[in-house]
Amino acid sequence: KQEVTQIPAALSVPEGENLVLNCSFTDSAIYNLQWFRQDPGKGLTSLLLIQSSQREQTSGRLNASLDKSSGRSTLYIAASQPGDSATYLCAPRGGSEKLVFGKGTKLTVNP
Amino acid sequence: NAGVMQNPRHLVRRRGQEARLRCSPMKGHSHVYWYRQLPEEGLKFMVYLQKENIIDESGMPKERFSAEFPKEGPSILRIQQVVRGDSAAYFCASSPPARARNSPLHFGNGTRLTVT
Repeated sequence: KQEVTQIPAALSVPEGENLVLNCSFTDSAIYNLQWFRQDPGKGLTSLLLIQSSQREQTSGRLNASLDKSSGRSTLYIAASQPGDSATYLCAPRGGSEKLVFGKGTKLTVNP
Repeated sequence: NAGVMQNPRHLVRRRGQEARLRCSPMKGHSHVYWYRQLPEEGLKFMVYLQKENIIDESGMPKERFSAEFPKEGPSILRIQQVVRGDSAAYFCASSPPARARNSPLHFGNGTRLTVT
């Protein structure tokens, strides 16, 4: 059974800082891993999708890496902004086709 | 291209009533997933459907919950005889049929069910 852990659970940083969010998962037999952000009371917005054959994926100030064999992924956010404040979720997808979610990292970027 | 549409956004039901949650996937998507998010908890998988088929319902409670995705119309998550513990946000996601496992899931804004 896949289990996903995200560290830290909460993070507060000043505007402009670069930061790293960590995600670990127990079953490395995955097809891909997706990172999302969730704003309070809202749905999930897909940020990046990394296939199991890829090591990195970039979109703007976001960079996600995947080390499938060790069961780890990181989300790097460059030059953070107050608008980046949200909960960030990682979700690997395995043979059962469904995503398994961690509890997320709640990020606060202070102006 | 409209995203995944869920309605209603908010639903209030009294204990014992039925709740029906609707999900219209993105255009061209034929795979639908339902997730539940309890307060202060992560999202938990409930059910995975394709048109007219339930593929994986391993996350569905054994009683009172059912889901369908008919050939025409939205996917429906139905909760009978609701209890307070059913209060949660219910999210629907969809993906296209081709190489579905390699495609990103797109989520709706959810239905927030409150049972009084």
